[in-house]
Amino acid sequence: QKEVEQDPGPLSVPEGAIVSLNCTYSNSAFQYFMWYRQYSRKGPELLMYTYSSGNKEDGRFTAQVDKSSKYISLFIRDSQPSDSATYLCAMSLILTGGGNKLTFGTGTQLKVEL
Amino acid sequence: DAGVTQSPTHLIKTRGQHVTLRCSPISGHKSVSWYQQVLGQGPQFIFQYYEKEERGRGNFPDRFSARQFPNYSSELNVNALLLGDSALYLCASSSIRTEAFFGQGTRLTVV
Repeated sequence: QKEVEQDPGPLSVPEGAIVSLNCTYSNSAFQYFMWYRQYSRKGPELLMYTYSSGNKEDGRFTAQVDKSSKYISLFIRDSQPSDSATYLCAMSLILTGGGNKLTFGTGTQLKVEL
Repeated sequence: DAGVTQSPTHLIKTRGQHVTLRCSPISGHKSVSWYQQVLGQGPQFIFQYYEKEERGRGNFPDRFSARQFPNYSSELNVNALLLGDSALYLCASSSIRTEAFFGQGTRLTVV
């Protein structure tokens, strides 16, 4: 079983729709939770960063974390064609050497159609 | 402000060769991490360096090594390249244990 599970999609929605992207995880030691957007052949771009259960909103994006269920979500309101990309969830684990590493889901490919 | 810069952007190497990838973090960030992303997968952690010391290592063979310089830039070295090393190599910059910002990556093709 993977530590982080994410539905790879592809997910196709009409412009203006609300998009829901989800990840589940098995390691309760994960402390920080992130969502990245990655366009084809580019590096991941950080969208949201949170460390506690609950909701965090930034513009059209809302990140939701439920640590008791080991479940995180990203909601995109009023989706635009420019939101078409792969969305990666990532979770941070503190290492014994004092650093941290991110464990990623496989990414969900989203297409927003006109 | 300059973001994370990586060089080169693309390169092609032959099996058995050695490669060096370079990364400059965001100004003020002292931590650099390296990730490997193969097509269709999420990035996999290779190394983290903070203040020039290795702070974490992922499940990669000893052919992979890295170092961090006094100006906090970093190099990732891969020896004895295999076809399976073909991937997008990503560098992430952070203040340790905070959000990580990625560069555009180096696309390595091994033939």
